[in-house]
Amino acid sequence: DAGVTQSPTHLIKTRGQQVTLRCSPKSGHDTVSWYQQALGQGPQFIFQYYEEEERQRGNFPDRFSGHQFPNYSSELNVNALLLGDSALYLCASSLFLTGYLNTEAFFGQGTRLTVV
Amino acid sequence: AQSVTQLGSHVSVSEGALVLLRCNYSSSVPPYLFWYVQYPNQGLQLLLKYTTGATLVKGINGFEAEFKKSETSFHLTKPSAHMSDAAEYFCAVSGISGGYNKLIFGAGTRLAVHP
Repeated sequence: DAGVTQSPTHLIKTRGQQVTLRCSPKSGHDTVSWYQQALGQGPQFIFQYYEEEERQRGNFPDRFSGHQFPNYSSELNVNALLLGDSALYLCASSLFLTGYLNTEAFFGQGTRLTVV
Repeated sequence: AQSVTQLGSHVSVSEGALVLLRCNYSSSVPPYLFWYVQYPNQGLQLLLKYTTGATLVKGINGFEAEFKKSETSFHLTKPSAHMSDAAEYFCAVSGISGGYNKLIFGAGTRLAVHP
């Protein structure tokens, strides 16, 4: 079991550009959540996808968007990059259980985005 | 609304000493509580979790935590620190909202272990 895999591991972009980060969930998981972790801070929830729809969203602008594919993998897109978007972006997968808390969230290694 | 406060951004202990990392939470619904560890340049690994039932939970690598509702706390302890325990530790709270949950993390505590 490969666990949660994210690509790329590192990325450097210029202000104003757009970026796409990718995540493959752990085998058997159907829910993907994305988090932003700025340097020296705890992860902040961006949004969560289940059944190819955004189910919850944190306090992030519309420049942050996502997608979930039929195979449960997911993409995070950020438009009009700002210097403040530099962070470690973490993907977490879990199994949604109706009427109950999702199972344990497994995290990927993250994608380190640097905006210059 | 939910939130987590981790007291002490840096904790330093001697090898073999007790490790105590403090976490207080706020939640309007029954909380689910977690401790995660992050090693440099890596993602998060779950140490332990509290959902329901026994308030003292044991996790991996000898860590344990006790849920105290009256104190709204979920402190992480380990009787004897190892050099390999040096890492960043995050406390998180979760609760169902509209059928879906998300993790709310504290700012983290960096644990240093010296010989």
